[in-house]
Amino acid sequence: AQSVTQLGSHVSVSEGALVLLRCNYSSSVPPYLFWYVQYPNQGLQLLLKYTSAATLVKGINGFEAEFKKSETSFHLTKPSAHMSDAAEYFCAVSSNFGNEKLTFGTGTRLTIIP
Amino acid sequence: DAEITQSPRHKITETGRQVTLACHQTWNHNNMFWYRQDLGHGLRLIHYSYGVHDTNKGEVSDGYSVSRSNTEDLPLTLESAASSQTSVYFCASSTGQGFSHEQFFGPGTRLTVL
Repeated sequence: AQSVTQLGSHVSVSEGALVLLRCNYSSSVPPYLFWYVQYPNQGLQLLLKYTSAATLVKGINGFEAEFKKSETSFHLTKPSAHMSDAAEYFCAVSSNFGNEKLTFGTGTRLTIIP
Repeated sequence: DAEITQSPRHKITETGRQVTLACHQTWNHNNMFWYRQDLGHGLRLIHYSYGVHDTNKGEVSDGYSVSRSNTEDLPLTLESAASSQTSVYFCASSTGQGFSHEQFFGPGTRLTVL
């Protein structure tokens, strides 16, 4: 069984400040990990994914995430927040073989303070 | 360009009525998924399909059904709509080939059951 925990349902940061969104996973097999972003009234868009290659993954819009097996974490970061980053962010996990089903966290709403 | 579409985008119905939500993808993907999104729950898997004539139950399948008669479409049917099924519904697809596991999402259908 797989699960994802996102710490903090709401995060606020000032424009230009560091963005850190936390994700911890549980998986009995080596995982694939994903971050998706959802802008208001839209579907989900892939930000980045970890599929057992490099542990530091770079995505779109300046975001990156680091896979830390010892901490079972896959936190999302961006050095400098922009107003356009305001959205909801979802972490998701799947197993690295088989059925491609994703298990999602409950989401973190990111607010950018001007 | 390939895409995934959902219709209708908004639907209001009454308790007890049968409702069908359409999902159509032109990616030629084998896998298709239906999720519901509710505040505090993130995305929860309703049903999924790995190919034509294949369907499987997800974690919240009660009261919903799907059928897959071709590669492009996976309609979701609410047999007898209930107020608890008021939600935003997302369809997604993935290749089912290789090890990407990335899912592509439609824009969503907002369903209100009165």
